[in-house]
Amino acid sequence: AQKITQTQPGMFVQEKEAVTLDCTYDTSDPSYGLFWYKQPSSGEMIFLIYQGSYDQQNATEGRYSLNFQKARKSANLVISASQLGDSAMYFCAMREGGGSNYKLTFGKGTLLTVNP
Amino acid sequence: DAGVIQSPRHEVTEMGQEVTLRCKPISGHDYLFWYRQTMMRGLELLIYFNNNVPIDDSGMPEDRFSAKMPNASFSTLKIQPSEPRDSAVYFCASSLWERPYEQYFGPGTRLTVT
Repeated sequence: AQKITQTQPGMFVQEKEAVTLDCTYDTSDPSYGLFWYKQPSSGEMIFLIYQGSYDQQNATEGRYSLNFQKARKSANLVISASQLGDSAMYFCAMREGGGSNYKLTFGKGTLLTVNP
Repeated sequence: DAGVIQSPRHEVTEMGQEVTLRCKPISGHDYLFWYRQTMMRGLELLIYFNNNVPIDDSGMPEDRFSAKMPNASFSTLKIQPSEPRDSAVYFCASSLWERPYEQYFGPGTRLTVT
């Protein structure tokens, strides 16, 4: 079974609108972390946001927020007030276990296009 | 501040040749990660180091792949001999021990093996 599932290969949004990118995960470990990365056409991966499994509140970083629903095993990324520069591939990732395990497993990604 | 530096940016080589990819992490970072990205398999972690010591190399596909980190400012990923299926973009990333999950990626090396 895939550990990270991103069901939306592509998404379109109008500039200034909000968009939600879906991510579901599969783990039996009670300690884990969830991440979102952005990959623009230039190719490099950019860290956006992190949510720990024990965090009580949803993570937020500027226009990015992570809608963490533990029971549903979902960690959707919400981008508010979309900008043209948000057009990129977005990857959800997970780290399982505590301690010093920093191995990330990535989903296949969602290509977001922001229209003017 | 300089980010993660990778070289070369593009590499084209023939099957059977040795390929060496290089990475300079961000100064002061304690962790270094090597990833491979392909259309078929997505982004996969190959190996990561903590303070120059390899911690997890379970993602290294086979013995043809090897990685070293002789000091805190330099790492190499070597493929010998290379095969067409090794064609991919290889990323290096680094992070601080305080925030190991916040990984800073380099621009990647696009490897084509013909």
